Amino acid sequence: GAGVSQSPSNKVTEKGKDVELRCDPISGHTALYWYRQRLGQGLEFLIYFQGNSAPDKSGLPSDRFSAERTGESVSTLTIQRTQQEDSAVYLCASSLRAGNRNSPLHFGNGTRLTVT
Amino acid sequence: GEDVEQSLFLSVREGDSSVINCTYTDSSSTYLYWYKQEPGAGLQLLTYIFSNMDMKQDQRLTVLLNKKDKHLSLRIADTQTGDSAIYFCAESNNAGNMLTFGGGTRLMVKP
Repeated sequence: GAGVSQSPSNKVTEKGKDVELRCDPISGHTALYWYRQRLGQGLEFLIYFQGNSAPDKSGLPSDRFSAERTGESVSTLTIQRTQQEDSAVYLCASSLRAGNRNSPLHFGNGTRLTVT
Repeated sequence: GEDVEQSLFLSVREGDSSVINCTYTDSSSTYLYWYKQEPGAGLQLLTYIFSNMDMKQDQRLTVLLNKKDKHLSLRIADTQTGDSAIYFCAESNNAGNMLTFGGGTRLMVKP
């Protein structure tokens, strides 16, 4: 596909369960970002991968959140023991290379997570 | 830390101009961006401006940057109903690898 693909598009889970969200970046994009968007709010940075460097995890809100990326391809964001406050849209974005103004972020359509 | 502020809501009539404002706090920001988010979709980059510029025009879009006041605006000329969306302002850090987003301004265009 031409764009960033995220799956599932919607996920409803019970409080306490674990969830995995998937992101397929644009082929060839070395940088990948995860953001969280709560209802009616802006984007909150979670984690950032650039090539094979160690990821920047400074935005992860708690140790229940983790993310992995295989090389320069797919990334999964895992939330363990979900809480109701985790309900949000989780957006993934990729760019050709971070720090390059000619390499803007391309966003997926997000995964809407609802924790009941 | 960085902080980006926007007004929550703007309503205009079709054909009028829209002006969406944004203030930021990080004086070392190198690039400032405007993104558009339509319902159920991700964010789409509209335009960006480098911090040493004070204006950039791209078809119906005009970006104005007042670096002294740390104020950024997006003007949409001849606003159409298809422009109804949430508009996010974002600033990049010095390295250009991290964006901080404002809370978004919901633009409603009335026919």
